[in-house]
Amino acid sequence: DTEVTQTPKHLVMGMTNKKSLKCEQHMGHRAMYWYKQKAKKPPELMFVYSYEKLSINESVPSRFSPECPNSSLLNLHLHALQPEDSALYLCASSQTELTYGYTFGSGTRLTVV
Amino acid sequence: LAKTTQPISMDSYEGQEVNITCSHNNIATNDYITWYQQFPSQGPRFIIQGYKTKVTNEVASLFIPADRKSSTLSLPRVSLSDTAVYYCLGTGSNDYKLSFGAGTTVTVRA
Repeated sequence: DTEVTQTPKHLVMGMTNKKSLKCEQHMGHRAMYWYKQKAKKPPELMFVYSYEKLSINESVPSRFSPECPNSSLLNLHLHALQPEDSALYLCASSQTELTYGYTFGSGTRLTVV
Repeated sequence: LAKTTQPISMDSYEGQEVNITCSHNNIATNDYITWYQQFPSQGPRFIIQGYKTKVTNEVASLFIPADRKSSTLSLPRVSLSDTAVYYCLGTGSNDYKLSFGAGTTVTVRA
């Protein structure tokens, strides 16, 4: 298995809703990442997990809450989002923090209404 | 991380070779140059990585001159399916965060 799987592919949520994005990989990678990408813009790093521990938080608002239950799974919990949070959310993984060959998932297209 | 500069867009035709040059004047001694490809509504895909001289794989070639202040990604005989955004990144051995620049939108026409 050489893929990063993200679910759901599309999500529409209201500003008062709570939802979660899921990311899974079975490549034995020990570093996992969340990126946010707005239309026609490059991906922006949000969080980095290394060996299931949060390594980097790029000053992301607390309405985004990451979780790494095990080495294969990464979640992003969403609560009280704003319409401007609508974007493509990408998950990626790499062997460790110090390797560059990231594998990205296809993303979750999030729309906040 | 090395700051990279690349053209915003390039047009080409099927069967032609596309060369995208990336400038990275402040690249550090330990930095590698890595290229990613991204199709609409998909995650970026690793294409190629190099440190100096020439690297070739089944998808592309990467040319890095001796001074390492620039690099050129070469896509041989492009097809319509090569239409995508191509990102050039400088990645350091002690800084693993991928920071994407604006990228180059390559449009291949029939």
